[in-house]
Formats: sequence, structure tokens, C-alpha cells
Amino acid sequence: NAGVTQTPKFQVLKTGQSMTLQCAQDMNHNSMYWYRQDPGMGLRLIYYSASEGTTDKGEVPNGYNVSRLNKREFSLRLESAAPSQTSVYFCASSSNPTRSTDTQYFGPGTRLTVL
Amino acid sequence: AQSVAQPEDQVNVAEGNPLTVKCTYSVSGNPYLFWYVQYPNRGLQFLLKYITGDNLVKGSYGFEAEFNKSQTSFHLKKPSALVSDSALYFCAVRDRRGDSWGKLQFGAGTQVVVTP
Repeated sequence: NAGVTQTPKFQVLKTGQSMTLQCAQDMNHNSMYWYRQDPGMGLRLIYYSASEGTTDKGEVPNGYNVSRLNKREFSLRLESAAPSQTSVYFCASSSNPTRSTDTQYFGPGTRLTVL
Repeated sequence: AQSVAQPEDQVNVAEGNPLTVKCTYSVSGNPYLFWYVQYPNRGLQFLLKYITGDNLVKGSYGFEAEFNKSQTSFHLKKPSALVSDSALYFCAVRDRRGDSWGKLQFGAGTQVVVTP
């Protein structure tokens, strides 16, 4: 099992450009998440998908859109990148967040720089 | 609202000495607590979690954590640190209020540096 995979690993954008970050999981998990990691701020939830066909906003959704393409894949899109979106982006998945034992598993991350 | 605090930005310890990484939390319901570790240029790896039961939870790589409800703490510990334990450690919490589950809330992270 590859677990959670993310592409690309690194990306440099100019202000105003768009891009899509891809995430896939092979653990048959129902829920998937996108976080951003900034120094001194831990991880903050951007969007999540509790199950296939549903998406919801997290703590910091502005400037982002998501698509739950199928059960395996969850993409994050930046329509018009801004320097404030320079960050490391992590995708995660979990089986069922309504269960107390639910644990999230993370991908390796995408390091994005917006100039 | 739930929150989690890691009061130390960095912890320095000599190899072979005990390691403690502190975490305190605030929830309105029952807390479910997690520790993750992030090695350089890698994603977060799950270490251990407290759901219910024994207050001392054992996890991967020789780590354990003690849940203390009265002090609202969930400190991560290792009896004898290794240089390879040098990494960024995150505490996280989610709570349950009735049938509603909170999202996973992360602390800011604590950098652990273990010197030979």
C-alpha cells in the first residue's frame, strides 16, 4: 500500500497563476482532508470531504476550491495564487470521523512557493 | 471551542536522557488526543492516541503519553532519547459533544533536538 500520495512535491507559481494539487489514497478511506502548514501555526484545515460526493469548508478555505473526484482522489485548486498561499500543503485521509478511534493518515506534502 | 497548546517551541535533550514534550488542551466535551511526528521534508506520522481507558498510552518507536484530565494535559514521553528522535512533534485534539464530532485541531508543534 502506498498510503496517501500527493503530486507535485514542489511547485513555484507567479502571483495570479492557477494550479491543482492532487491527492490519492489506497486505504479505502471515506474521508479526506487538505491542510496547510505554516511555521509556528501547526496545521490548519482548508477543506475536507467526509464522504464521496461531499465537501465542506475548514478553518481557512478562502482562495481555494476542492473536488472529491471519487473515493480515492481529492484535489485542491488555487484559482489565482497569492504570496500568502506560500505554504506546505498536506493531504490526509481517515476511515470514519464519526468513530472515536478514527485516525488521520498523511501524505508527504507539497511545498508551494508563490512569487 | 476546542484548542491545544504546546508551550515549548523547542526541546533540547542529550541522547540517552528522558524526553518530554508538553501538550495541554481545552475542549467542551470528551477529549480524544493524538501525537504525530514529522521528520524533515516528510509528512506527519501517527505516533499514538488516547481515546478512553488507561491514562498511559504506549505508541510507536518507544514513545508513550500520559493523559491527565485534572491538568488537561497529554504529555509525550520517551525514557531514553535517540538522535533519530530529532523531529517536529504535533499534539492534536478532537472532542465529542453528543452526536457531533469536532475536527482535528493541531498544536503549533515542538521541535525536538537530540544531541549525541
